[in-house]
Amino acid sequence: SQQGEEDPQALSIQEGENATMNCSYKTSINNLQWYRQNSGRGLVHLILIRSNEREKHSGRLRVTLDTSKKSSSLLITASRAADTASYFCEEEGAQKLVFGQGTRLTINP
Amino acid sequence: DTEVTQTPKHLVMGMTNKKSLKCEQHMGHRAMYWYKQKAKKPPELMFVYSYEKLSINESVPSRFSPECPNSSLLNLHLHALQPEDSALYLCASSQDERGRTGELFFGEGSRLTVL
Repeated sequence: SQQGEEDPQALSIQEGENATMNCSYKTSINNLQWYRQNSGRGLVHLILIRSNEREKHSGRLRVTLDTSKKSSSLLITASRAADTASYFCEEEGAQKLVFGQGTRLTINP
Repeated sequence: DTEVTQTPKHLVMGMTNKKSLKCEQHMGHRAMYWYKQKAKKPPELMFVYSYEKLSINESVPSRFSPECPNSSLLNLHLHALQPEDSALYLCASSQDERGRTGELFFGEGSRLTVL
């Protein structure tokens, strides 16, 4: 199955800085979701954005969706060491459930 | 209870063994999923059960055999696996099958090593 692309593949920043990750997809979607995964653990749902929405917020998270560019971004503000994890977008389209390649985020204290 | 429980956490098996991975949820979810994840890669969908019926099989080899005995349980039977099948196997559930607006709830995974 096709998989979306995320960039950057890896991101290392200082604690307190903002982290932005991008996700591009290929086909039309119904929803796009973002998940977080600590090393070797299960995934945890962060936020869902529907195809008719452009922006959503949840705490320190901000997600945008641009359906004309088939892309989404996840912004984590005021990063903390505990935000160190891999972040995946998941595109939910007709008959397709596909995770992006993921961004490995490292927050340095 | 918002947990998806997977057992065992770790499994080592030989290529001639038969083993099973188990997954359980008590959230009343009607869709359950098996994903396979290799190191530094995203999860790849293997199977989806909706209302205890197999609704998606992503061309998974027959050495992997899913089973959904009831709406709370999902098994993955393993037989004659290859070393390249070593991976983290993740179970997930959702309120209903995809095409809806719910999230996936994941278990912590079963780390499988095939010798």
